[in-house]
Amino acid sequence: AQSVAQPEDQVNVAEGNPLTVKCTYSVSGNPYLFWYVQYPNRGLQFLLKYITGDNLVKGSYGFEAEFNKSQTSFHLKKPSALVSDSALYFCAVRDGDTDKLIFGTGTRLQVFP
Amino acid sequence: EAQVTQNPRYLITVTGKKLTVTCSQNMNHEYMSWYRQDPGLGLRQIYYSMNVEVTDKGDVPEGYKVSRKEKRNFPLILESPSPNQTSLYFCASSLSVSADTQYFGPGTRLTVL
Repeated sequence: AQSVAQPEDQVNVAEGNPLTVKCTYSVSGNPYLFWYVQYPNRGLQFLLKYITGDNLVKGSYGFEAEFNKSQTSFHLKKPSALVSDSALYFCAVRDGDTDKLIFGTGTRLQVFP
Repeated sequence: EAQVTQNPRYLITVTGKKLTVTCSQNMNHEYMSWYRQDPGLGLRQIYYSMNVEVTDKGDVPEGYKVSRKEKRNFPLILESPSPNQTSLYFCASSLSVSADTQYFGPGTRLTVL
């Protein structure tokens, strides 16, 4: 069965420093991978996706993610964190059998001034 | 503005009192879905609908009902709410079940006493 894991409940980073939010996946077949962000009191917003092609995917708000097939990972990255990036981040994978999205448990990113 | 709306945003109720959470989208999307978000569990799908009059169970359907009489609306019904249904609920829609991006509503925080 398809699954996705976010090993860190919380990531703390100082403003201006690079950030990484980790995600690993388990799928049969080619993975369709997504990152969503949830700001306080808001619904989830789409950030970026990997379907095929270049392993480095660029998304909204300066975020990018690197697909690594050998490590089955899809880590979210940003070169320079902003306080406004503080939010809850979800990794998701599409189940190849049902086409449903399977979400990870979420990682809370806290960026300190 | 393209959006998914949910009402109410906050609801406190008592065990056994039937309630309905409405969801509406203005993007002519075929696919709609309900999720619940609980700490440490991420988002879990309750029910989904691939088109009008077509609904199916997600991962945690017990205690919930849905209907899809019109394309734009997808209400979530709790016939006899229980305290274990206290959660944050999100409605989402997308162009199709295999579309890349899901659009989420702002969420409904439900407390069942």
